[in-house]
Amino acid sequence: GAGVSQTPSNKVTEKGKYVELRCDPISGHTALYWYRQSLGQGPEFLIYFQGTGAADDSGLPNDRFFAVRPEGSVSTLKIQRTERGDSAVYLCASSRGTSGYNEQFFGPGTRLTVL
Amino acid sequence: GQSLEQPSEVTAVEGAIVQINCTYQTSGFYGLSWYQQHDGGAPTFLSYNALDGLEETGRFSSFLSRSDSYGYLLLQELQMKDSASYFCAYPSGGYQKVTFGTGTKLQVIP
Repeated sequence: GAGVSQTPSNKVTEKGKYVELRCDPISGHTALYWYRQSLGQGPEFLIYFQGTGAADDSGLPNDRFFAVRPEGSVSTLKIQRTERGDSAVYLCASSRGTSGYNEQFFGPGTRLTVL
Repeated sequence: GQSLEQPSEVTAVEGAIVQINCTYQTSGFYGLSWYQQHDGGAPTFLSYNALDGLEETGRFSSFLSRSDSYGYLLLQELQMKDSASYFCAYPSGGYQKVTFGTGTKLQVIP
């Protein structure tokens, strides 16, 4: 079956612009995660959705970052007033269960470059 | 605070065995997971240890000791395709938030 998909695969933007990153999870997976990964580092937790609601958004670095999942499936990560430090690969993952120890299936990521 | 520490790089010979260690500090612990990530690729799940002891899955095994706040991933009969980064991770914050370690880059040489 289809895995987790993310669009766009690459996004180049200018400092100060607004960007939206999309994640399409595996059908039927209720849990959805967003991570940010910088070169040579592990994925850094941003936010976790269970269904439509953000169950844990403690990893969002500041109020420029926001994510939604209005129908409990596709999710969009929104970044306002982008900064050069936001440049990273943004990973989305989904899982069947409601716990963090459940196997997570990752998408290929969106590489964001802020010039 | 919460953290997981791993060696940054490990080199091993094709056909050999290699152990990748992970030590952690956390106020609430629910088990340890391992993920593999090839350069430019997405992380893929390898294993999860909820209890102390060894879990075996083919050529890969994972071990956990809660009393020592320590775990490791054991890769046997190394193949060139095993060259990748390996991350330990644990769920926290009520099972939901997942924290990843710093990652170990494994290079398998002929």
